[in-house]
Amino acid sequence: AQTVTQSQPEMSVQEAETVTLSCTYDTSESNYYLFWYKQPPSRQMILVIRQEAYKQQNATENRFSVNFQKAAKSFSLKISDSQLGDTAMYFCAFPSTDSWGKLQFGAGTQVVVTP
Amino acid sequence: DAGVTQSPTHLIKTRGQQVTLRCSPKSGHDTVSWYQQALGQGPQFIFQYYEEEERQRGNFPDRFSGHQFPNYSSELNVNALLLGDSALYLCASSFAYRGRRETQYFGPGTRLLVL
Repeated sequence: AQTVTQSQPEMSVQEAETVTLSCTYDTSESNYYLFWYKQPPSRQMILVIRQEAYKQQNATENRFSVNFQKAAKSFSLKISDSQLGDTAMYFCAFPSTDSWGKLQFGAGTQVVVTP
Repeated sequence: DAGVTQSPTHLIKTRGQQVTLRCSPKSGHDTVSWYQQALGQGPQFIFQYYEEEERQRGNFPDRFSGHQFPNYSSELNVNALLLGDSALYLCASSFAYRGRRETQYFGPGTRLLVL
């Protein structure tokens, strides 16, 4: 069975600083995607970034970047130059590897950005 | 380009009643997935619809049923409501690319409270 583990329930960071969220997963597949979603207090689930496992280059989206370590099955998210609007719950998600791709979510990490 | 939309935004029901939630997928998407998110937890997969048929189902009882229409929109029905059904219900849409559906985009959710 595929599992997704986020071991940090909450992290606090000051504005303009950098924070890194960890995620580990378990799979026997070799070709798959990984996602980070953000859920602010409005509870809208927003796609932050996605990584394709067959790509060696780590994905980057503006201030968000990932550190993908395939052998270690680790997929961390780095938020640079943190802004107050980054305050949210962040979920790591892993899709099933059949064609339907239902998402398995981690427990989430609450990020609080302080002035 | 309209994103995923859901209605209603909030709903209050009493135990034993039935509820119907609605979802319209993002333009160009053909697959709709439903998730239940209890407070403080990650979303749990309920089921997924494609070509008007249920394709995958999570660990939810038969009280949870759904439908997909020819225009790809979808409904989630819950019968005999229990207090434990109180949650945020998220709809996500995706499309098949090379036979796989990896990236799911979420709607704003419907908050259901069962009294």
